[in-house]
This record gives sequence, structure tokens and C-alpha cells, in this order.
Amino acid sequence: QVQLQQWGAGLLKPSETLSLTCAVYGGSFSGYYWSWIRQPPGKGLEWIGEINHSGSTNYNPSLKSRVTISVDTSKNQFSLKLSSVTAADTAVYYCARGNFRLFGVDPYYYYYMDVWGKGTTVTVSS
Amino acid sequence: SSELTQDPAVSVALGQTVRITCQGDSLRSYYASWYQQKPGQAPVLVIYGKNNRPSGIPDRFSGSSSGNTASLTITGAQAEDEADYYCNSRDSSGNHGVFGGGTKLTVL
Repeated sequence: QVQLQQWGAGLLKPSETLSLTCAVYGGSFSGYYWSWIRQPPGKGLEWIGEINHSGSTNYNPSLKSRVTISVDTSKNQFSLKLSSVTAADTAVYYCARGNFRLFGVDPYYYYYMDVWGKGTTVTVSS
Repeated sequence: SSELTQDPAVSVALGQTVRITCQGDSLRSYYASWYQQKPGQAPVLVIYGKNNRPSGIPDRFSGSSSGNTASLTITGAQAEDEADYYCNSRDSSGNHGVFGGGTKLTVL
């Protein structure tokens, strides 16, 4: 059974860089889109971005200038960096395994995140 | 602003059927997936694709799609189904993921 274990600094000052890592245990690393999602206190989920095993990335346009997602296939890990953080970046950050594919003759794409990390609370405060 | 639109709140009487909807142009090309989130917990996938349930999800959860609208139906809602529900898909370009704003389900 695939499990995601995430870690990183939980308290940052404004202008610092958020850095989180997610390790994948118990499953294949290839064929998936490894994703980051965040949730500010009392608010909904926000998709941050994703990376596949070969390093191809997609980022939320609203965060693109500050986000970098990288992958280390030798360790089955992927990481998130978010630069120049402000209080608005205070949130619970989740890593997740994304699936994005066609199935059989169905013309619709399947896209879903079936395995999630437990979340890391990141607070930005001076 | 989200490219997927959900009603902020829905209520259902215990044992009755409730439908939660998600609207967006990209749903004409991509199936929505649905997540249940309880306070203090990570989201859990409950429906994906045409109408697929991951292992361990009760069969009272089902999904459907028509045009630009995806629906999550809970048939015979239970007290433990009270939670926030989020739809998720790709945006119209297909290059980015996107979530709906979430629907808070209250079971009366």
C-alpha cells in the first residue's frame, strides 16, 4: 500500500522560502503526477502544482513565479519550494499522488489524487 | 476564482439522498473526482472517473456527469458523511489542476 510521508519547516518569517519534501513508500514512482495542494485556515483546497518522474512540471499560474517542484527518483521523493512567503501562504500543505490518463475507449480524461500525505502546517509570521 | 463551482452548503436528513454538484467548462473533457474532508484530516478520494469508488468507500457514494456538470450522490446519508466535499479536475487548458470551492454537507 502506497504511503506518502511529508516533512518540512513549520514556522517561517515573511520573505523566507518554504521548503517541504514528500517521500513515496510502497509503490512505483513512475506513471504518476506527484502533486502539492494547500489549504489556508478555514478555506478550501488550492492546487499548487505537480511533477512527473521525468521532471516535467505544471504550476498554478497564480503561484508560478514563486514555486519550484523538483523530484529525486533515486530516493522516491519530490519537493516543494515557495519563495518570498507572506502571511497569505499560511496553510496546511499536502502532497498527493495524481493520476491523469485515458481509459480504454472512454473519450474523457481521468484525473484524480488517490493517495495523500497527512499534511504539514506552515505558518508565516514575523 | 475557481473554474469549478460548487454550492457552499447542502443539508440532508439522515437516511435520505443528497446530490452535490460541480460545474465547469472543463468537465466536458475531464471527469471530476470527489474528496471528502473531515475537520483536521487530509482529504479522502471517494469518487473518480465515470463512477469509480476506491477500495473502502461505501457504495452509497456514486458519481455522474452530464455536460459541464458533475454530481456526487450519497444515497442513504449517514451521520458520518457530514463533512466538506470538494470536486477536482483539470482547467480548460488541461495543464493545471483545479478544485471547486467545496460544499459543506450537514446531516440533520
